[in-house]
Amino acid sequence: KQEVTQIPAALSVPEGENLVLNCSFTDSAIYNLQWFRQDPGKGLTSLLLIQSSQREQTSGRLNASLDKSSGRSTLYIAASQPGDSATYLCAGGSNDYKLSFGAGTTVTVRA
Amino acid sequence: NAGVTQTPKFRILKIGQSMTLQCTQDMNHNYMYWYRQDPGMGLKLIYYSVGAGITDKGEVPNGYNVSRSTTEDFPLRLELAAPSQTSVYFCASNSLQLARRGYTFGSGTRLTVV
Repeated sequence: KQEVTQIPAALSVPEGENLVLNCSFTDSAIYNLQWFRQDPGKGLTSLLLIQSSQREQTSGRLNASLDKSSGRSTLYIAASQPGDSATYLCAGGSNDYKLSFGAGTTVTVRA
Repeated sequence: NAGVTQTPKFRILKIGQSMTLQCTQDMNHNYMYWYRQDPGMGLKLIYYSVGAGITDKGEVPNGYNVSRSTTEDFPLRLELAAPSQTSVYFCASNSLQLARRGYTFGSGTRLTVV
């Protein structure tokens, strides 16, 4: 069973600082790794999806890496803005298309 | 393109009552899922379906039932509601052919059992 851990649970940074969010997983036979954003009281918005054959994905200021050998994924957000304040969830996908979620990292970007 | 639509958005139930959470997707996705999210926790899989007429249990299925009579709809039924079922419920969908694009989630149903 895939176990996904996100540390820290919360993070506060000043505006303009780069954000580094960590995700670790126990089963290296991961099918894909997906990062989501969740705003308070809202649903999940998909940010980036990394297939098991890929090492990273980029979208604008966001970059996510995947290292299956170490069981880690990292989400980088460059030049953070107050609008980046949210909870970020990572989820490991299995080959039967089920997701195992971490508990999330709640980010606050201070203006 | 509406994506994944969940109704209702909020509901308060009394212990022992029953209700159905509705989920509809218009993307012709064959895979559909129900997750619950408790405060400070990750999402946990309740039930999932790989196509019309096919459903299977996830990690936390007790107290719930599902059906999948069409590709579009995947309702979640709560029988004899209990306080432990107070949670936020999310429906999601995915496609075998479009798996590389990831999952689409609904906006959630916030359920309180009192």
